Amino acid sequence: GAVVSQHPSRVICKSGTSVKIECRSLDFQATTMFWYRQFPKKSLMLMATSNEGSKATYEQGVEKDKFLINHASLTLSTLTVTSAHPEDSSFYICSSQSVTEAFFGQGTRLTVV
Amino acid sequence: GEDVEQSLFLSVREGDSSVINCTYTDSSSTYLYWYKQEPGAGLQLLTYIFSNMDMKQDQRLTVLLNKKDKHLSLRIADTQTGDSAIYFCADLNQAGTALIFGKGTTLSVSS
Repeated sequence: GAVVSQHPSRVICKSGTSVKIECRSLDFQATTMFWYRQFPKKSLMLMATSNEGSKATYEQGVEKDKFLINHASLTLSTLTVTSAHPEDSSFYICSSQSVTEAFFGQGTRLTVV
Repeated sequence: GEDVEQSLFLSVREGDSSVINCTYTDSSSTYLYWYKQEPGAGLQLLTYIFSNMDMKQDQRLTVLLNKKDKHLSLRIADTQTGDSAIYFCADLNQAGTALIFGKGTTLSVSS
């Protein structure tokens, strides 16, 4: 079946640096990818919708200049956390879905020190 | 906005049935989902139910939907230690473009 591959699975970075997370659809063309963030108390929050060839749509309260999303091809969407701070430490998950099925990346555990 | 709520913890003994409950606010939901997240792993879709159904059964899993009360439940029969995980209820948003997740229920199974 269709698979979404997310990389890296874990990353530790210093405050002030930028981190890029990649999300690839392996067996299908994903015109839309979704980026979620999982907070320490386990709630999942939709951050943005990534659209191939156009600007991403951000949810209210998500800083678009801090969380840069690029969806340059039908198989790759990237999330870049810019000027990372310790409060950005979290679990980030990408997903592509239809109404009956969702495909999730493995998630990326980001730790900012 | 749309909201999905579920209790945070459930503890059962091996062999018992587990029932995880969820409530949602979006009256126009078309699909509701249950996901499982094992420690250190990504989300795995367990099952989903279409809003015009009351029940769906899949091996040890039974999903019940009360659309009037906006209540969804997941029953796991003969719960095993391998079922220990976080279970997320999710609701397809009105635009049909993204899932709204609950906070997750941590299921702990003791032997």
